[in-house]
Amino acid sequence: QKEVEQDPGPLSVPEGAIVSLNCTYSNSAFQYFMWYRQYSRKGPELLMYTYSSGNKEDGRFTAQVDKSSKYISLFIRDSQPSDSATYLCAMSATGGFKTIFGAGTRLFVKA
Amino acid sequence: NAGVTQTPKFRILKIGQSMTLQCTQDMNHNYMYWYRQDPGMGLKLIYYSVGAGITDKGEVPNGYNVSRSTTEDFPLRLELAAPSQTSVYFCASSYGPPGTLFYEQYFGPGTRLTVT
Repeated sequence: QKEVEQDPGPLSVPEGAIVSLNCTYSNSAFQYFMWYRQYSRKGPELLMYTYSSGNKEDGRFTAQVDKSSKYISLFIRDSQPSDSATYLCAMSATGGFKTIFGAGTRLFVKA
Repeated sequence: NAGVTQTPKFRILKIGQSMTLQCTQDMNHNYMYWYRQDPGMGLKLIYYSVGAGITDKGEVPNGYNVSRSTTEDFPLRLELAAPSQTSVYFCASSYGPPGTLFYEQYFGPGTRLTVT
């Protein structure tokens, strides 16, 4: 079983839709959770960084962590064609240099 | 402020050849990392450094070497290239280490390497 599972998609939505991206994980030691956006042929860019459980909002983006279910989500409101990219989840525990990345979900937002 | 820069952008190597991937950051970050990204897989950590002169192995270090003589530069050396090293390589840096609130990683644009 992989430590982090992420549906690769692709996920195709119309402009303006609410997008939900998700990851599940198995290691209960993970406490720091990240979402990266990666445009084609570019490096990943950090979107959201959360610690432990709860929600964090930044503009149109909301990150949600449910540690009891080992499930994290990224919501994108009012999605735009410019949101079309691959979204990677990642997580790490306190101590050590182990960050585990999901394989990424490809998102297409159609105008 | 250029962030993290990587050279070259693309490279084709023959089996058995060697090369160095260059990485430079101008944010005065102590922590630097090398990852590889294969299709359908998450990023895998190859090597990391916690400061000049200090490096350590990550998850997939075999076939690679690194050095860190300055805060800014963190080159990755491929010795005796093999087809299994065909991948996209990303360098990253951060102010703090993983598992802290200062662990915001900044990634370079990547180097696409093909070994044939």
